[in-house]
Amino acid sequence: EAQVTQNPRYLITVTGKKLTVTCSQNMNHEYMSWYRQDPGLGLRQIYYSMNVEVTDKGDVPEGYKVSRKEKRNFPLILESPSPNQTSLYFCASGNTGELFFGEGSRLTVL
Amino acid sequence: GENVEQHPSTLSVQEGDSAVIKCTYSDSASNYFPWYKQELGKRPQLIIDIRSNVGEKKDQRIAVTLNKTAKHFSLHITETQPEDSAVYFCAASARGSQGNLIFGKGTKLSVKP
Repeated sequence: EAQVTQNPRYLITVTGKKLTVTCSQNMNHEYMSWYRQDPGLGLRQIYYSMNVEVTDKGDVPEGYKVSRKEKRNFPLILESPSPNQTSLYFCASGNTGELFFGEGSRLTVL
Repeated sequence: GENVEQHPSTLSVQEGDSAVIKCTYSDSASNYFPWYKQELGKRPQLIIDIRSNVGEKKDQRIAVTLNKTAKHFSLHITETQPEDSAVYFCAASARGSQGNLIFGKGTKLSVKP
């Protein structure tokens, strides 16, 4: 089954404790991206990747890192999480059209 | 960078009425304009899209129109049903790639039975 898989789906953590949200797709998509969704602000792009070893900042990259060492994986790293990073995070992948989203990861930073 | 404005932020209609959501974009190089529907607690899913060489596209009760000159595109839902209630996002391609999408802030559509 074609899918984008994110883990964890839910996480409560504390300020400053490094965490990684994994994202994996099995559709051989070149493009992958991370978005955060906050009430009233829609889907804001954090980072995106056009292909392996090619990543670039989106609109809200501060406090986040990414890597794209393999085509299928695009982890989102929060080196020192802060409460303003409490949000719902979506990973997405695609080629030249439709984006496929993961189920989302709800992160709470206390 | 690309900016996508979406209006209205909330829309309430009676079942059977039509609903229209409008978006504008800033990047004249944008050439792909999809619409996503997000039901409560679920992921966004594509419902219809249009590319810049087309002015209008229909799929049953939903249609999208594009005016490239005005940098404006719209979603039209006819004969609305309660199951159309959701948040709708427009998006535009950015940074030279059809796959790289910038989203509007969303419209919460409520269809009253």
